[in-house]
Amino acid sequence: DGGITQSPKYLFRKEGQNVTLSCEQNLNHDAMYWYRQDPGQGLRLIYYSQIVNDFQKGDIAEGYSVSREKKESFPLTVTSAQKNPTAFYLCASSKVRGETQYFGPGTRLLVL
Amino acid sequence: GENVEQHPSTLSVQEGDSAVIKCTYSDSASNYFPWYKQELGKRPQLIIDIRSNVGEKKDQRIAVTLNKTAKHFSLHITETQPEDSAVYFCAASPVSGGYNKLIFGAGTRLAVHP
Repeated sequence: DGGITQSPKYLFRKEGQNVTLSCEQNLNHDAMYWYRQDPGQGLRLIYYSQIVNDFQKGDIAEGYSVSREKKESFPLTVTSAQKNPTAFYLCASSKVRGETQYFGPGTRLLVL
Repeated sequence: GENVEQHPSTLSVQEGDSAVIKCTYSDSASNYFPWYKQELGKRPQLIIDIRSNVGEKKDQRIAVTLNKTAKHFSLHITETQPEDSAVYFCAASPVSGGYNKLIFGAGTRLAVHP
């Protein structure tokens, strides 16, 4: 899991603003994932990607967008359409069909 | 739809006691069951996992058992220590179009008292 980095550690969003969370991995993993964690709750899948230029919606994709232009990078944009964005966002990666997912350190998003 | 239920939501034990956390899953095609430990403000870290072709796996003080017929699996921690205090998540991986989705339980907050 040390090969996955997320930035920034804390992010503040103003109303109507889009913000982008960074996720990079040097593990040569093909699959990458974004999860949202609310206080006292489990992890909910936002988007996932198995290969470059391909991604799929998870359970709570509304108000979010992603891109996968490079194998190492899977940025998440929280759009103004996401009305309740305050949460801890976790990125993860795994080998193709490898199942085991390794997590980055997370980004805590707060609304001003 | 796919669902994983986890119990209990909180668990308090004395140092040296055992702790057991149980999960049930809905998709009988699930074939991979990891357990993650998350300390406050930190990332979830994999502590043990089991695949559907085995019934039990052990790693030092931690063990996981799987009952595919009943669709449940459990985490057992023996000789608990204060550093075991954290939130533990179970997950199940249903086979869905070749993608490795993980469905997480809601978590168990374990407190180990000295």
